[in-house]
Amino acid sequence: QSVLTQPPSVSGAPGQRVTISCTGSSSNIGAGYDVHWYQQLPGTAPKLLIYGNSNRPSGVPDRFSGSKSGTSASLAITGLQAEDEADYYCQSYDSSLSGPHVVFGGGTKLTVL
Amino acid sequence: QVQLVESGGGVVQPGGSLRLSCAASGFTFSSYGMHWVRQAPGKGLEWVAFIRYDGSNKYYADSVKGRFTISRDNSKNTLYLQMNSLRAEDTAVYYCAKDREGRRVYYFDYWGQGTLVTVSS
Repeated sequence: QSVLTQPPSVSGAPGQRVTISCTGSSSNIGAGYDVHWYQQLPGTAPKLLIYGNSNRPSGVPDRFSGSKSGTSASLAITGLQAEDEADYYCQSYDSSLSGPHVVFGGGTKLTVL
Repeated sequence: QVQLVESGGGVVQPGGSLRLSCAASGFTFSSYGMHWVRQAPGKGLEWVAFIRYDGSNKYYADSVKGRFTISRDNSKNTLYLQMNSLRAEDTAVYYCAKDREGRRVYYFDYWGQGTLVTVSS
């Protein structure tokens, strides 16, 4: 059971827009800690997609955007492409556990129809 | 360019030990915090441990506390994970990941390709 909650799967047709939610609590996202997103293509290591809630590293297309509000965050992907089919993970920090802890969402599998 | 190359994975019996290494290059290793993150087969990401840029602070997930030890040798640009009392549930691909910060836990801006650890009799 992950500390951050994501939908197990989402899907969309090429060109469409999809969003992936990441729900936390008052000890992580709601406490003001930033949310970061990673993309994991099949058989590869995760790659940083969004950092600091809404910032894109260089090289990440502007089709990817992030936002945060209250105890939740969202990743939006517009103009879906076949190459976006991957697993997506949100990550934050939690201060309620025994010592500083990185926390992840359980991951969301994006299927491009 | 930043490169993180893990090694040391393999098959080990329950109760056994293994030491993973992560060779870093392309950045000033001694300036950044480093992590180990694992992924069990078909499962999501699980953070394992963090070490500050100078090795002065180390943090662990509850699932590995007391069994795993993270360390670093800044003179060799290498990160380590000593894993003792291994259990079947430790079976996973172990990734080495660089933190964007040096002193605090923030986010992972670079990842290695991972090394597979299988705990089985």
